[in-house]
Amino acid sequence: RKEVEQDPGPFNVPEGATVAFNCTYSNSASQSFFWYRQDCRKEPKLLMSVYSSGNEDGRFTAQLNRASQYISLLIRDSKLSDSATYLCVVNIQESSYKLIFGSGTRLLVRP
Amino acid sequence: GAGVSQSPRYKVAKRGQDVALRCDPISGHVSLFWYQQALGQGPEFLTYFQNEAQLDKSGLPSDRFFAERPEGSVSTLKIQRTQQEDSAVYLCASRPTGMGQPQHFGDGTRLSIL
Repeated sequence: RKEVEQDPGPFNVPEGATVAFNCTYSNSASQSFFWYRQDCRKEPKLLMSVYSSGNEDGRFTAQLNRASQYISLLIRDSKLSDSATYLCVVNIQESSYKLIFGSGTRLLVRP
Repeated sequence: GAGVSQSPRYKVAKRGQDVALRCDPISGHVSLFWYQQALGQGPEFLTYFQNEAQLDKSGLPSDRFFAERPEGSVSTLKIQRTQQEDSAVYLCASRPTGMGQPQHFGDGTRLSIL
């Protein structure tokens, strides 16, 4: 079983739609959680950190459920520019800051 | 520039050759990481430096892989006697000190072994 699991998609949605991605992680000792965005042939870029209380950044909302070891990302009012791969990322050891990545969920937003 | 810089951007080598990949982190970032990303997969951790000290090399796939950061700034990832399965994108990231700080990635080196 992979340490961080995501639905690979693709999710194909019209502009303006709301879309949600889920992610599960296996190590209950995980400390920090992030969503990264990766465009084709580009480097991963931080989208947002995920906090236990849930957090929002504009059209993006992230939730963490430690009991279920589950992370989610909600995108409202999808834009064409949101088309990318979304990587769920977990940091297990604060002392080393090693990041464990999921394989990514691909989102395609169509006109 | 202000970001993580990697070179070369693309590297093609014949099987059995040695290659060296360079990473120039963001100035002042103590922590530096190397990741390997295969097509269609997320990045996988290779190794971690804090200043010049290599604190974690548990992700290096074999003893053909070697990384160094002798002065605590620029890092080099060396792959000896390359194999076709080494073909991937090699990403470098750096991170400032402090809890919960994110890692910032370079553009990566796309390595193709023929």
